Amino acid sequence: DAGVTQSPTHLIKTRGQHVTLRCSPISGHKSVSWYQQVLGQGPQFIFQYYEKEERGRGNFPDRFSARQFPNYSSELNVNALLLGDSALYLCASNSGLIYGYTFGSGTRLTVV
Amino acid sequence: QQQVKQSPQSLIVQKGGISIINCAYENTAFDYFPWYQQFPGKGPALLIAIRPDVSEKKEGRFTISFNKSAKQFSLHIMDSQPGDSATYFCAASNRGSTLGRLYFGRGTQLTVWP
Repeated sequence: DAGVTQSPTHLIKTRGQHVTLRCSPISGHKSVSWYQQVLGQGPQFIFQYYEKEERGRGNFPDRFSARQFPNYSSELNVNALLLGDSALYLCASNSGLIYGYTFGSGTRLTVV
Repeated sequence: QQQVKQSPQSLIVQKGGISIINCAYENTAFDYFPWYQQFPGKGPALLIAIRPDVSEKKEGRFTISFNKSAKQFSLHIMDSQPGDSATYFCAASNRGSTLGRLYFGRGTQLTVWP
């Protein structure tokens, strides 16, 4: 079984640009969450989606948005990139019925 | 405000020794306490988890001790091996109110010397 798949694995963007990160959850998992992990810190919650509806939002500016598609895959969008947005962006999936999340390997975003 | 506080920030242990990482929380509504292991360039991987209705859970060389009254929990790694060298994160969540949103500690970088 494939795990949580994220793409791309790395990317470099310029300040002010827009970025879209993609996530495919484990087959059968209906809940997807996004986390931001700045170097040397623990992951910080950004969004949670369940059955294509937003179920939670962390303390992030409106430049961050996300959505979940009918096949339960998800996109995270960040507008007007700042240097401080440089981080590892993690996607995690869960069936929605059990505790615990499985994380993908993340997308390393560097803003220059 | 950090919902879960983790210590130490870094830990160096000799091969065969015991590694101990501690975490504390304030929100008594938390009902799930996982530990994640993260290697460089990888996402966090669930190592072991505990619910507050038990005081200890053991899986192989890894044990979680949970003290509900003190609002503390810890990870013990017995017979530490060089392959255990990684960053460890404790976390907490409340599945009922937030569908299991995870609040992570800041992490402990463990180095096991051969």
